[in-house]
Amino acid sequence: RKEVEQDPGPFNVPEGATVAFNCTYSNSASQSFFWYRQDCRKEPKLLMSVYSSGNEDGRFTAQLNRASQYISLLIRDSKLSDSATYLCVVLNSNSGYALNFGKGTSLLVTP
Amino acid sequence: DAGITQSPRHKVTETGTPVTLRCHQTENHRYMYWYRQDPGHGLRLIHYSYGVKDTDKGEVSDGYSVSRSKTEDFLLTLESATSSQTSVYFCAGQGLLSGNTIYFGEGSWLTVV
Repeated sequence: RKEVEQDPGPFNVPEGATVAFNCTYSNSASQSFFWYRQDCRKEPKLLMSVYSSGNEDGRFTAQLNRASQYISLLIRDSKLSDSATYLCVVLNSNSGYALNFGKGTSLLVTP
Repeated sequence: DAGITQSPRHKVTETGTPVTLRCHQTENHRYMYWYRQDPGHGLRLIHYSYGVKDTDKGEVSDGYSVSRSKTEDFLLTLESATSSQTSVYFCAGQGLLSGNTIYFGEGSWLTVV
């Protein structure tokens, strides 16, 4: 079983829609969680960290469920510019190099 | 600005030739990584470094070596390039000062013909 798993999609949604992605992780000792965004032929960039209590940044909301070992990303009022691949990243220790990446979920927002 | 620059950004090379990709960072990241990204595989760790002269292998290290002689620079070398090493390579840096967040360089597109 992969340490971090994501539904690859693609998710095709119309502008204005709400879309949610989930990411499951296998290591119950995982400590830090992130969502990254990657545009075509670009490097991944941090979208947001995921905190235990959940956090929101504008139209984006991230949630962590430690009991079920998954994190989620909710995008409200989708924009065409939200079209990208979203990567889930899990850090298993404070030693830094124990990062695990999901393969990403592809989102296409259509007019 | 992630403070991580990669060079070269694009390179075409012939099978069997050595290739070195350079990663330079200005954020004093302790940890540095080299990943390759291929369709269907996502990001795969090649090698990483947890300090000057401290490096270790990742999941796809065969055919690659790295060196880190100073904090700022992390070099990835393909000793004898093969067509299977055609890929996009991302360098990344991470440190406690960045809250464990990992920052990526813009990528190096390598084609081995």
